[in-house]
This record gives sequence, C-alpha cells and structure tokens, in this order.
Amino acid sequence: KQEVTQIPAALSVPEGENLVLNCSFTDSAIYNLQWFRQDPGKGLTSLLLIQSSQREQTSGRLNASLDKSSGRSTLYIAASQPGDSATYLCAVRRIQGAQKLVFGQGTRLTINP
Amino acid sequence: GAGVSQSPRYKVAKRGQDVALRCDPISGHVSLFWYQQALGQGPEFLTYFQNEAQLDKSGLPSDRFFAERPEGSVSTLKIQRTQQEDSAVYLCASSLAVKAQGNTYEQYFGPGTRLTVT
Repeated sequence: KQEVTQIPAALSVPEGENLVLNCSFTDSAIYNLQWFRQDPGKGLTSLLLIQSSQREQTSGRLNASLDKSSGRSTLYIAASQPGDSATYLCAVRRIQGAQKLVFGQGTRLTINP
Repeated sequence: GAGVSQSPRYKVAKRGQDVALRCDPISGHVSLFWYQQALGQGPEFLTYFQNEAQLDKSGLPSDRFFAERPEGSVSTLKIQRTQQEDSAVYLCASSLAVKAQGNTYEQYFGPGTRLTVT
C-alpha cells in the first residue's frame, strides 16, 4: 500500500527566506507526483506536476524535484512571502492504470512579515 | 464554467439524516473523483468515475456512502444516516482521461463541501 509522508507538519519562517518542504513515498512505482497548495476553507490549487521520467519542474519561485528511486520529492520556495502562507500537500499517482491520488498529510507553512 | 464547482459549500446535518453533495466537473472532463479530507489531514480517495461508469469505489468507508454520475457529467455523493465521524470536507476533482500536452492526467479540484454532523 502506498504511503505518503510530509515533514515537517508545520513550519514558520521569516519573510524572505528560502525553504524546503519534504515529501516521501513508500512505493517507487509512481506515474507522477503533484504538489498542491490549500488555503484555509478552500480547495486545492495545483502548483507543479512531475512525471516519473522527470527530475524537476519549476514555476516562478517554486522548484520541485523528484528522486523516484529513493521515494522522495522536495518543494523549494525561494524568497518566501507572507502570501505563501498555506498548507502544502504532495500527492502521488501510483501507476498509469490507477487514477487515484494518494496524499500526504500536508505541511502548514507560515511566513512571518 | 471555468473550474470544478461544488454545492453546497457548507452543510450541517443532524446525526441520522441523509445528505447529498453535488459536483459539477470542468466541461469535457471524462474522469471525476471524490475525496474526503478530515481536519488536519490530507485528502483520502473515495471513488472514481470515467464517464458514467464507477470504476473504483474502494475508498468508500461504508455502505452508507453512495456516488453516482448518471449522465457522465454532474456527480452526486450521498451519505445515508450520517454519523459524527462523517464530518469532513468532501472534495471533488476532474481530469481529462487522455494525455494532453502539459497536463497529463492532472486533477483539478473544486472548493469542497464542509459537512458537519451534530
């Protein structure tokens, strides 16, 4: 059974810092990995999607890496801003035929002005 | 519409009542998913449709949960005889079933329905 773990559960940093969020998964037979952002009371916004054949994806100040063999992904946020405060979730899609996403429990990020 | 919509956004039910939650996927999206998110946790898969066919319902926690998508577009998640442990946010997502450049099987989520059972 695929299990996804995110560490830390919560993180608070001053504005302007670079930071890394971690995601690990137990079964390396994944089709892709997705990072989401969730604001309080809102749905999920997709940030980055990495296919299993890729090593990283970048969007603006965000960079996500994937090491499938070790079962790890990181989300790097550069020059953090208060507006980045949210819960960040990673999710894996296991194999091509299995459509469902398996989520981690999320990292609650607070950027202090 | 431009995105996935869900209604109602908030629902309070007394224990034992039946509830129905609605999801309108993005137009043209073949695949539709329901997830349950407990407070402080990540979403957990409930069920999946491709068009009107329910291909995976392995995540439904009990036979009190039932989902349908009769015409392959709008979907309804029904919970019978609600219990306090059913309190959660119910998220709906949709995706294209075929590979599209830059959005391979990406799932797009709605805002969710927050269900509180008292």
